[in-house]
Parts: sequence; structure tokens; C-alpha cells
Amino acid sequence: LAKTTQPISMDSYEGQEVNITCSHNNIATNDYITWYQQFPSQGPRFIIQGYKTKVTNEVASLFIPADRKSSTLSLPRVSLSDTAVYYCLVGPANAGKSTFGDGTTLTVKP
Amino acid sequence: KAGVTQTPRYLIKTRGQQVTLSCSPISGHRSVSWYQQTPGQGLQFLFEYFSETQRNKGNFPGRFSGRQFSNSRSEMNVSTLELGDSALYLCASSLVGQNNYGYTFGSGTRLTVV
Repeated sequence: LAKTTQPISMDSYEGQEVNITCSHNNIATNDYITWYQQFPSQGPRFIIQGYKTKVTNEVASLFIPADRKSSTLSLPRVSLSDTAVYYCLVGPANAGKSTFGDGTTLTVKP
Repeated sequence: KAGVTQTPRYLIKTRGQQVTLSCSPISGHRSVSWYQQTPGQGLQFLFEYFSETQRNKGNFPGRFSGRQFSNSRSEMNVSTLELGDSALYLCASSLVGQNNYGYTFGSGTRLTVV
């Protein structure tokens, strides 16, 4: 599975848009990009998944450039409750084995 | 609909004992994966079961084992517990098919080995 690289931590303020970028230079043709959110002592929660271009749902957008070697998770107007660890995963959509990297700890301040 | 249910939520065991953790996936989900999460190692994949067969396995010693039943419920077992096995054990389930949208995780079982 492709290795991913994310910033270790990011800070933001309530109401701002937050963009977290993930690098995955060795992404394979059949790999999808999936983002999860995790709060302390809870399991990760699926946020969004995409293959190319742009995907948007009710909580986030995922931007994937044409070469697919990176992706950006965009969280619009964050609130204090968005403080969490965000993981980027790259692999086949139906793979049972997912390699989680270190994730990005997002801290939203008032 | 009900989410992924893991039992028990908390467990304290003594070194050398064995433990069995249970996971009930979302109804209709046939793939169940197990992960270990520790502060030092992060989230590490243990194994995945699909239709009662182990399909993928991570780099854990043979003391860690699992199984899946015909109703897709899964158990994992750790024998001869060590202090380093203290962790949050997470189970995740997924539909397997063309429209897979990631995995749904349970809240985990917090295992403390003393």
C-alpha cells in the first residue's frame, strides 16, 4: 500500500476553512484516497473518499490533482468540535488492510 | 441503523492470561478488520476476515488470532498477555463491492494488562 505523508499538526480558529494535504507519491492505479477523523478513545470515523478530481459531501471536500500524487481535505468553517486527528489512507477501495499513517492533529481555537 | 458494536468496552487482565474481544459488524457488512492502537505505534492492522476466512494479516505474533462466524460477527483472541498488549483494540466493518465507502469503526475495547 502507498505510503502517505501528512503534517503532524495544524492549528486553526473557529469559522476558518482548514486544508490538510496528504502526499502519496506511490499511489497505484486502482487506489482510492480515504480520510478519517478520530477523537480520543473513539474509533476513526469515515469522512470522505475519492479517486480523482473533486468530491464533496455534507462535511468536507476532497481535492485530487490530475497526477493523484497528493490530495487535500478541506473542512469549511471549522468549529471547536472539529479538533481531532485526521488520517489519510491510500489503497484499493475494498481493501481490508488499511495502513494508517501518523495522522494530522488539528486543533481549533476559539 | 446500529453501528459496529464492540464488547466489552473496558477490560483489565493480568500478564499471562488470555482475552477474547467481540465485534458485531453493521448488518449486511461481511468484511471485519481489527486494529490495535497505542500511543507509541499508532493504528496498526491486525487482520481482516471476510466470509469466515482470514483475508489479510498484519505483522503481529501468533498470540493474536481471530475468527469470524457465519453471521459475520468476529472475535479476536490474545493469549499469554504481555504488558505491551495494553491498547485500544478497534474493529471495523465494511460492505465489499463496487460501492464501498470506507470502513465503519466501533468505539473499541480498552485492554489494560497489569
